[in-house]
Amino acid sequence: DTEVTQTPKHLVMGMTNKKSLKCEQHMGHRAMYWYKQKAKKPPELMFVYSYEKLSINESVPSRFSPECPNSSLLNLHLHALQPEDSALYLCASSLGGSSYEQYFGPGTRLTVT
Amino acid sequence: GQQVMQIPQYQHVQEGEDFTTYCNSSTTLSNIQWYKQRPGGHPVFLIQLVKSGEVKKQKRLTFQFGEAKKNSSLHITATQTTDVGTYFCAGRQSGGSNYKLTFGKGTLLTVNP
Repeated sequence: DTEVTQTPKHLVMGMTNKKSLKCEQHMGHRAMYWYKQKAKKPPELMFVYSYEKLSINESVPSRFSPECPNSSLLNLHLHALQPEDSALYLCASSLGGSSYEQYFGPGTRLTVT
Repeated sequence: GQQVMQIPQYQHVQEGEDFTTYCNSSTTLSNIQWYKQRPGGHPVFLIQLVKSGEVKKQKRLTFQFGEAKKNSSLHITATQTTDVGTYFCAGRQSGGSNYKLTFGKGTLLTVNP
């Protein structure tokens, strides 16, 4: 199984809502990532978890809160988002650090109204 | 911080023509990876280059890593409509975080049948 799954595929939320994005992999990968991608732009790293511990936070606003409940799951909790946060949110995983290929999930298309 | 420049931003070719995209880093890279993202899709890993001057081939795709490990290129011979998508390079800065890849802005390739 070389698949990273993400739910939901699409999400529309108001600025006062709380929602969560979910990501799952069963490849035994020890690193998991959240990226944000705007249209016609490259993926922009948000967070990295390594061995279930937060390794990198790229100065992401606190309205985004990551969580890694176990080695296979990664969540991104969303609260009080702004319209400019609308984007494709990609989860990825890799066996180890950046010398290993990253497997990306299909993403969650988020629209903040 | 590390920057990875990628050119051209767009390339439109006739089917059968060749295509090349170039990446240039402001700092020495430990490794560079290439990803392809189809329209509406997610990035998919193509290859990783690690050694100075390394050249790797995958069928019609040829990847090169510069001698100084600051630049890389992807060349596609005789493009096909299935090659359509955005090609991203992503590099890890020497001495930088083991988990952070810096993506180039990508080159969008369109192929006219």
